[in-house]
Amino acid sequence: TQLLEQSPQFLSIQEGENLTVYCNSSSVFSSLQWYRQEPGEGPVLLVTVVTGGEVKKLKRLTFQFGDARKDSSLHITAAQPGDTGLYLCADISGGSNYKLTFGKGTLLTVNP
Amino acid sequence: DAGVTQSPTHLIKTRGQQVTLRCSPKSGHDTVSWYQQALGQGPQFIFQYYEEEERQRGNFPDRFSGHQFPNYSSELNVNALLLGDSALYLCASSQVGRREKLFFGSGTQLSVL
Repeated sequence: TQLLEQSPQFLSIQEGENLTVYCNSSSVFSSLQWYRQEPGEGPVLLVTVVTGGEVKKLKRLTFQFGDARKDSSLHITAAQPGDTGLYLCADISGGSNYKLTFGKGTLLTVNP
Repeated sequence: DAGVTQSPTHLIKTRGQQVTLRCSPKSGHDTVSWYQQALGQGPQFIFQYYEEEERQRGNFPDRFSGHQFPNYSSELNVNALLLGDSALYLCASSQVGRREKLFFGSGTQLSVL
């Protein structure tokens, strides 16, 4: 059974700071997705990465996929209070039917 | 364009009871997946429905069952509720050919007392 570990578990920073959160797997990812979940809401897909070494940018968010496809990171530049939420990584598996295996997430709080 | 809608938003049950949760997928989507998210955990895959059939199932007991209707909406049923079934139940929809792009509803918060 694949295990996804996310770190840190909790992160509290001030507005304007930069941060990085990590996702590591006990086995090779098929494909990896990052989600953000706000309180009282369902997760919202941020990005899908497929190829080892891949880097994707989404405004102030930069996603990296490790060369060996066993780790990934999410870097946020100049964090804003609107970035507050639970950041989840998920492995996609299940062939054409797709199912997600999630990590426990990193709970980020950005203080004004 | 309505997104994924779930009902009810909150529910309180007692041990041993049965519960039914409902999900309407995003317009144009034909596949519905259900996830359980316990407090402080990431969501866990329960099962997926497409063309009114269960296509994949996660590591959940038979007390968890589901159904998909011809209009693609879905129900999740849980029998003989246990305290440990207290969680946020999330429905996610997608469309065939783009199943990696999931849209989640806001969930049903189930409390079992």
